[in-house]
Amino acid sequence: GENVEQHPSTLSVQEGDSAVIKCTYSDSASNYFPWYKQELGKRPQLIIDIRSNVGEKKDQRIAVTLNKTAKHFSLHITETQPEDSAVYFCAARDNYGQNFVFGPGTRLSVLP
Amino acid sequence: EAQVTQNPRYLITVTGKKLTVTCSQNMNHEYMSWYRQDPGLGLRQIYYSMNVEVTDKGDVPEGYKVSRKEKRNFPLILESPSPNQTSLYFCASSWDPMGGYTFGSGTRLTVV
Repeated sequence: GENVEQHPSTLSVQEGDSAVIKCTYSDSASNYFPWYKQELGKRPQLIIDIRSNVGEKKDQRIAVTLNKTAKHFSLHITETQPEDSAVYFCAARDNYGQNFVFGPGTRLSVLP
Repeated sequence: EAQVTQNPRYLITVTGKKLTVTCSQNMNHEYMSWYRQDPGLGLRQIYYSMNVEVTDKGDVPEGYKVSRKEKRNFPLILESPSPNQTSLYFCASSWDPMGGYTFGSGTRLTVV
């Protein structure tokens, strides 16, 4: 089955700097890759996603890149703000839409 | 308001006492899933359902049961809870097998 690894497990950046979180997946059949943000005590919320026929997607300060050959995808947050502090999860979903596997999460702290 | 509703939000129970966590969505989603979240392990899929009367095991199904008699409801059943099932549980739904999930608010379960 699918296995998703995520690095780093914790990340601290200064406000205004960029943050990058990287995930790798094992199943070449996976073709949908969402990112979720979970604030303390709250539910995970989808912030951006990418499908396997696209190499990059942007939404304001957030972008995701996908390298299918290397089987990795990354979340990029620019001009970080204190409200970006949260745990971020990547995930991979296979071709049949059934097996949805999450990475272990990255705790991002944006220091003022 | 489009949402996934879980009940209860908090539950403390004793080993062996059967319990049910309810999940309901009002978005007419076909795909529903249960996850448990444990520190350092991220979100792990327990069971998922692609439609009424169609359910299948995720990565950690042992000790759990589900049913999908109606499209909107997807209850999680613990027939004989044990302390290792103490966790934070999330129900989630999606309209698209290739789309992201909308998560419920979570149920924090403690089994003593």
